[in-house]
Amino acid sequence: EDKVVQSPLSLVVHEGDTVTLNCSYEVTNFRSLLWYKQEKKAPTFLFMLTSSGIEKKSGRLSSILDKKELFSILNITATQTGDSAIYLCAVEQNAGNNRKLIWGLGTSLAVNP
Amino acid sequence: EAGVAQSPRYKIIEKRQSVAFWCNPISGHATLYWYQQILGQGPKLLIQFQNNGVVDDSQLPKDRFSAERLKGVDSTLKIQPAKLEDSAVYLCASSFEGGLAGGTQYFGPGTRLLVL
Repeated sequence: EDKVVQSPLSLVVHEGDTVTLNCSYEVTNFRSLLWYKQEKKAPTFLFMLTSSGIEKKSGRLSSILDKKELFSILNITATQTGDSAIYLCAVEQNAGNNRKLIWGLGTSLAVNP
Repeated sequence: EAGVAQSPRYKIIEKRQSVAFWCNPISGHATLYWYQQILGQGPKLLIQFQNNGVVDDSQLPKDRFSAERLKGVDSTLKIQPAKLEDSAVYLCASSFEGGLAGGTQYFGPGTRLLVL
């Protein structure tokens, strides 16, 4: 059965800390892995990763994919209270003529001042 | 570029009542998705449209849920009759098939449904 597992499920840190969120997957017909940030509203897109070893970076956030070991990490440096959110990992699967997203349960991050 | 629009933002109904949600995707996006997200869980795909055709509705409870996208643009999702366990956030997303962006999905603000 295809699955995406995120860890930890929740995390509490202080402002300025660096955090690493993990996403491991077992998905057939892998196409890409995506990271989303979800605050009180709908998920907002962060990164799409398709190739191993190539880091994607946006400000204090960065992410990398390992297709051999089937995982990805999302790093946030110098965390701020505005980083508090649920971070969702999803794997895009080729399914015939269709593509399907398989979602993890998310990591709930709380950044305290 | 305008984002995905959804309405209403909140809805409270009693069980066995009917409810409908509306979604307008980003202009030019051929693919539209409806998700159900229960508190503490990731989104669960209910139905995926490519233009006005259904490509995946395997997780849609068809005895009570229906969706349409008649002109290949906006879409409605209906629940009739609602059950307590339908209380969730209903998310609409759209994607542009093609280019580097590929199937990256962009989400609307969601409709929070509470069934009493």
